[in-house]
Amino acid sequence: QQPVQSPQAVILREGEDAVINCSSSKALYSVHWYRQKHGEAPVFLMILLKGGEQKGHDKISASFNEKKQQSSLYLTASQLSYSGTYFCGSLETSGSRLTFGEGTQLTVNP
Amino acid sequence: GAVVSQHPSRVICKSGTSVKIECRSLDFQATTMFWYRQFPKKSLMLMATSNEGSKATYEQGVEKDKFLINHASLTLSTLTVTSAHPEDSSFYICSARRTGVVNYGYTFGSGTRLTVV
Repeated sequence: QQPVQSPQAVILREGEDAVINCSSSKALYSVHWYRQKHGEAPVFLMILLKGGEQKGHDKISASFNEKKQQSSLYLTASQLSYSGTYFCGSLETSGSRLTFGEGTQLTVNP
Repeated sequence: GAVVSQHPSRVICKSGTSVKIECRSLDFQATTMFWYRQFPKKSLMLMATSNEGSKATYEQGVEKDKFLINHASLTLSTLTVTSAHPEDSSFYICSARRTGVVNYGYTFGSGTRLTVV
């Protein structure tokens, strides 16, 4: 079953922050975050495994609340290069297949 | 590391013909690969899971006879769209998971844009 993402779209000015949420109705083993630019393949950002785990990657970080089956992606001091569609992917078990949310289109303007 | 090569990147074919798309893991072994389909401004829809040495597992609603998957080696999976029709036109993307490594991101190929005329 597909995870649910929100919001569907975000428009920011350079330097502003954004939060993208991802939730599932099923228990999750892990959550993956990817960014896709138009016409290109998704690029892996990070994976979160444990309840309450948080990770950071430059000015992009994420958290995973295993009990609530929710994950959030935080983009701080956004840059123009952050523009793209962000997808969360969920795994129910370590060996299962990755299913994606509908995506959040992020646009960062100068 | 973790590079996945997908070919061709673009293909135009006539209705009724078949098209083969290749997905190769270049620097790692991938017992399992995945094939996704993506429509414009839509999410990645999983079509099937490709398993080396065994039959692929298809998602509900995906026609096995239309989308043939072969995973003959630890580094190569192929998707053949048989008897293609215009409604098969889409962006097809493969991804691979490192064999024996569970907690690792999946690597995607660059995608194949198929246009059936």
